[in-house]
Amino acid sequence: QTVVTQEPSFSVSPGGTVTLTCGLTSGSVSTSYYPSWYQQTPGQTPRTLIYDTSTRSSGVPVRFSGSILGNKAALTITGAQADDESNYYCVLYLGSGISVFGTGTNVAV
Amino acid sequence: QVQLVQSGDEVKKPGASVKVSCKASGYTFTKYGISWVRQAPGQGLEWMGRLNINNGNTNYAQKVQGRVTMTRDTSTNTDYMELRSLRSDDTAVYYCARDVGPTYYFDYWGQGTLVTVSS
Repeated sequence: QTVVTQEPSFSVSPGGTVTLTCGLTSGSVSTSYYPSWYQQTPGQTPRTLIYDTSTRSSGVPVRFSGSILGNKAALTITGAQADDESNYYCVLYLGSGISVFGTGTNVAV
Repeated sequence: QVQLVQSGDEVKKPGASVKVSCKASGYTFTKYGISWVRQAPGQGLEWMGRLNINNGNTNYAQKVQGRVTMTRDTSTNTDYMELRSLRSDDTAVYYCARDVGPTYYFDYWGQGTLVTVSS
């Protein structure tokens, strides 16, 4: 079974930059996996940040950006703010109608 | 504005079934699919399956395949997710999310429905 891996946690200083990654236990992530990213604070509904690798969802601040770095999808927060403290999840499309969430990264600011 | 409104919280006994609804408004219902996502207490998000607008099929995660059925009623703009043979580890908040093809991401989310499985 395919597992999508993310770093368990990151700590970033206010105003700092952090890059979260989203990888596969076997194989490389490419744009063909249509990586998307979601932010969730405890007790809240997930919020869509990035889709199709690098497209920001409506209303998402420009400090959030998506890319492919090496063999993984990446979410970069440039100029982190206190309210960016959340859990972040990636989703990869595996084909044949199947998607899978990553394990999630907790970001402390 | 796009809204997905889910049915209320449920308490079920092990072995029972639950059917959660997700009523859509504010967009052309038949142009979008729906995915169902769940989150067990203190755990991460888990994709369960989708009603795939790209091919008209339903696609289910291996973990729930055989126990889950996702259906749609276009007369009421409502999607449904039924999970059978409930176990304690099915206790979770269940979300519906509008599914955007062909890039397979979720742009709007329901408010969540807590399903508690307990004897």
